[in-house]
Amino acid sequence: AQSVAQPEDQVNVAEGNPLTVKCTYSVSGNPYLFWYVQYPNRGLQFLLKYITGDNLVKGSYGFEAEFNKSQTSFHLKKPSALVSDSALYFCAVRGQNNAGNMLTFGGGTRLMVKP
Amino acid sequence: GAVVSQHPSRVICKSGTSVKIECRSLDFQATTMFWYRQFPKQSLMLMATSNEGSKATYEQGVEKDKFLINHASLTLSTLTVTSAHPEDSSFYICSARVDFYNEQFFGPGTRLTVL
Repeated sequence: AQSVAQPEDQVNVAEGNPLTVKCTYSVSGNPYLFWYVQYPNRGLQFLLKYITGDNLVKGSYGFEAEFNKSQTSFHLKKPSALVSDSALYFCAVRGQNNAGNMLTFGGGTRLMVKP
Repeated sequence: GAVVSQHPSRVICKSGTSVKIECRSLDFQATTMFWYRQFPKQSLMLMATSNEGSKATYEQGVEKDKFLINHASLTLSTLTVTSAHPEDSSFYICSARVDFYNEQFFGPGTRLTVL
């Protein structure tokens, strides 16, 4: 079985400050890891993914995430937050052995960036 | 990137009626599509995996006679909520698997409200 934990329901950060949204996972074998962002009443937008290679992955809108195998984590980061980054963020995982490509999502973290 | 559309984006219906939601891959063929349900302030819950030309695979606890899935072509999957009740009110999101990119692309979602 595969699972994802996002320990924080909400993260508050001031505009211009760095932000981190935490994610840990559990999966059999090597993981494929994803971050998605959701704005109100909208579907999910892809931010970035880790498949293999460099542990630091750069994605859309200045976001990046670091894959840490020993800590089974894939935290989302951005050096300088914008008010427009305020949204709901989901971490997702699937095992490389999961032929059905089924993603398991974390519970989501609401990011609030205040001016 | 690959684009997935959903229609309608919003639907309001009376209790007891059936509602069909379409999910289309606009610029690629998708042998596999996924249907998710999302309650307010909650994560996505996978309902079923839709495979072109074969029966859908439903997750545990999802009534297959209640939520009919048809994947009639490589670009279209439909979800029909039969005899809808107010508790079926939710945000329904589909995604399409793209093998080449090794990821899923999500539709914008459909908000169903059953009165």
